[in-house]
Amino acid sequence: QKEVEQDPGPLSVPEGAIVSLNCTYSNSAFQYFMWYRQYSRKGPELLMYTYSSGNKEDGRFTAQVDKSSKYISLFIRDSQPSDSATYLCAMSDVDSGYALNFGKGTSLLVTP
Amino acid sequence: DTAVSQTPKYLVTQMGNDKSIKCEQNLGHDTMYWYKQDSKKFLKIMFSYNNKELIINETVPNRFSPKSPDKAHLNLHINSLELGDSAVYFCASSQDVGAGNTIYFGEGSWLTVV
Repeated sequence: QKEVEQDPGPLSVPEGAIVSLNCTYSNSAFQYFMWYRQYSRKGPELLMYTYSSGNKEDGRFTAQVDKSSKYISLFIRDSQPSDSATYLCAMSDVDSGYALNFGKGTSLLVTP
Repeated sequence: DTAVSQTPKYLVTQMGNDKSIKCEQNLGHDTMYWYKQDSKKFLKIMFSYNNKELIINETVPNRFSPKSPDKAHLNLHINSLELGDSAVYFCASSQDVGAGNTIYFGEGSWLTVV
């Protein structure tokens, strides 16, 4: 199952930088797109949820979905050391809507 | 209050043993899941139950058997444990089935088979 591709990193940025995280996917039926954040030894927690194409902003986080390119992004502005975690993209469609298809996650380190 | 709680958090056991991981959610959700995260951090669904009925059963060995005594609980029993079963197992829940539902995860159970 490699429907969702995500660069595992690690990605290291200085505090205050803008972070860009990305996923590509192959299943054009995906309609629901999510970003989860996972701290070490913890479960994933939902950060952003987007339906279909477009942008969504929540505080320092912006999620973008480009269905024509099968590409989704998460931007983190003014990154903080507390943002250091693994970020997992996930997506689903109506047919397989009961299960999320996850990327492998990108490890992010924000250094003070 | 912990929304999705699972026990034990850490479990070390020998090959061939049988073990169970328990999960409970206090969110009033109808749907519960078991996900497995392997050593490469890949998170993949194993099972899903809606109102105590099995709705997803991915290609998981028969040694894995979920049991849902009620909507708030979904336990995972594993028979004849193998080295390859070592992973982190996450329980999760959502209000209902369907692609638009937000899934909430527990903190994970780290299983090591030696």
